Amino acid sequence: AQSVTQLDSHVSVSEGTPVLLRCNYSSSYSPSLFWYVQHPNKGLQLLLKYTSAATLVKGINGFEAEFKKSETSFHLTKPSAHMSDAAEYFCVVSRDGNQFYFGTGTSLTVIP
Amino acid sequence: DTGVSQDPRHKITKRGQNVTFRCDPISEHNRLYWYRQTLGQGPEFLTYFQNEAQLEKSRLLSDRFSAERPKGSFSTLEIQRTEQGDSAMYLCASSLGGRDTEAFFGQGTRLTVV
Repeated sequence: AQSVTQLDSHVSVSEGTPVLLRCNYSSSYSPSLFWYVQHPNKGLQLLLKYTSAATLVKGINGFEAEFKKSETSFHLTKPSAHMSDAAEYFCVVSRDGNQFYFGTGTSLTVIP
Repeated sequence: DTGVSQDPRHKITKRGQNVTFRCDPISEHNRLYWYRQTLGQGPEFLTYFQNEAQLEKSRLLSDRFSAERPKGSFSTLEIQRTEQGDSAMYLCASSLGGRDTEAFFGQGTRLTVV
């Protein structure tokens, strides 16, 4: 069985400060992990993916995530938040691309 | 190719009516997925296809829901005898399939049942 838990439903940061969105996963197999972003009235967009090639994964718009097997975590970070980062973020786990299991999402607010 | 497209973008229907949604995946993608997303929740898996074969259906999918992918290209999702609880965003995604491949999502069809 596979699942993800997003530990914060809402995160609020000031513009220019670091962002940390937390995700823990559960998987019986070596998982593929993803972060997607959903802006209001827009489709889901892939930020980055972990595919076992490297534990630190860099994505678009300055985001990155680190896979930590010992902690079963895949937290998303960004050094400096921009106003345009305000959106809903989803952590996703998959095995073999048969299904993609979504977390409940974290709503990021960026305060000017 | 401009990505996954879904039609219509919005649908309002009366309870008890049937509705059908269409999804056109990225052309070289052999896997196609349907998800449902309600307000404040992450997308929930409904079903997926490998080419024209429907390989898996969620237990959440009642017998009022049916999906097809004739010829392994576009897909349709039909909901019969709609209920107010069916109101949600219905998302379609496609992928190349296999380990480490990501899914590309359409913008969804928002269904409102009144």
